[in-house]
Amino acid sequence: EIVLTQSPGTLSLSPGERATLSCRASQSISSNFLAWYQQKPGQAPRLLIYGTSSRATGIPDRFSGSGSGTDFTLTISRLEPEDFAVYYCQQYGSSPWTFGQGTKVEIK
Amino acid sequence: QVQLQQWGAGLLKPSETLSLTCAIYGGSFSDYYWTWIRQPPGKGLEWIGEINHSGSTNYSPSLKSRVTISIDTSKNQFSLILSSVTAADAAVYYCARGDWGPIGYWGQGTLVTVSS
Repeated sequence: EIVLTQSPGTLSLSPGERATLSCRASQSISSNFLAWYQQKPGQAPRLLIYGTSSRATGIPDRFSGSGSGTDFTLTISRLEPEDFAVYYCQQYGSSPWTFGQGTKVEIK
Repeated sequence: QVQLQQWGAGLLKPSETLSLTCAIYGGSFSDYYWTWIRQPPGKGLEWIGEINHSGSTNYSPSLKSRVTISIDTSKNQFSLILSSVTAADAAVYYCARGDWGPIGYWGQGTLVTVSS
């Protein structure tokens, strides 16, 4: 089973700032099959990025994903008030699919 | 527009069986893997397993001995059975559509509490 480790656990930033979230895998992820989700309190997660760098339908272009092998990054270029949430990475290159433990982006 | 609506018992005693069902509205039923994911309160996401329209399943190894996912194509529904629950199984359970890996659509979630 591939273990995903996200860092930092919490990111304290101000609106307008750039957020960089990391997801590291315990082994190389096949075909860069990595996704990112956003979750707000009391809501189901929302798919942001799949295939490492492809934005899901309706996701603004301030969200971008990059990486390969075992190291992946989600970047939010300029934080909007609605972007403060918890973010999870997920790998779907090797069954069982697994998630990282999450990074909380909070208002500084 | 794709919608997933789920239901099932939210309060169980230890050793009982969890049973949840999810109905799919809109979109293709046969092109995807139908998935269950859970999230303990205040914690992260755990993939439980998935099924396709043909009934082919894939389960998390850690839950495989207690999990059954089934599908009813005539009703566009799929279900989760988790046997012998303990306090560690308390979580919000989500049904979802697996778009060959990434999860594009989610149900509203069902909070399952396990208490004697």
